Amino acid sequence: GAGVSQSPRYKVAKRGQDVALRCDPISGHVSLFWYQQALGQGPEFLTYFQNEAQLDKSGLPSDRFFAERPEGSVSTLKIQRTQKEDSAVYLCASSPSGPSFGYEQYFGPGTRLTVT
Amino acid sequence: DAKTTQPPSMDCAEGRAANLPCNHSTISGNEYVYWYRQIHSQGPQYIIHGLKNNETNEMASLIITEDRKSSTLILPHATLRDTAVYYCIALSGNTPLVFGKGTRLSVIA
Repeated sequence: GAGVSQSPRYKVAKRGQDVALRCDPISGHVSLFWYQQALGQGPEFLTYFQNEAQLDKSGLPSDRFFAERPEGSVSTLKIQRTQKEDSAVYLCASSPSGPSFGYEQYFGPGTRLTVT
Repeated sequence: DAKTTQPPSMDCAEGRAANLPCNHSTISGNEYVYWYRQIHSQGPQYIIHGLKNNETNEMASLIITEDRKSSTLILPHATLRDTAVYYCIALSGNTPLVFGKGTRLSVIA
């Protein structure tokens, strides 16, 4: 069956540009998560949705980062005025249940963002 | 969340059991032990989780000590495809996954 998909897989942006990263979760999954993974580190939590509601955005590093899931399915992570320190892999995960972090999460392959 | 500590790397011969340790000495009573792994250039993959009883599924076994201060993930017959970074996470239901740096397992032919 179809897993979590993310697009684009690779994105190169010039410093100061805005980027939008897309996540298509597994159909019917209630919960959706975004993570940031710097080179050589484990993923770090950014934000969490249950359906269309953003229940936790405590991990977003600055107000340049914005996430939405308007219809409770596809989600977009937007980064405004990108900086070099935003270079990382951005991972999306979905889970069939909520509201809770305590369920198996299914991860997409990630989008590798490079800011030059 | 309780902090977990894992060795940074381990080697295992192909076909042998891989035993990956994890210390979580400050784990609280409502926190589960979760294991995920991340194969190179892929997203993390859920393996197994448990509270205090040992657990087994098609991928692995999880042995949790009686005092719950440590656990071991066992891959009974490691293959080259099991080469990955393995993350041990102590998790309650109300806080996000905290991955840490994990253990890089190299399965050697």
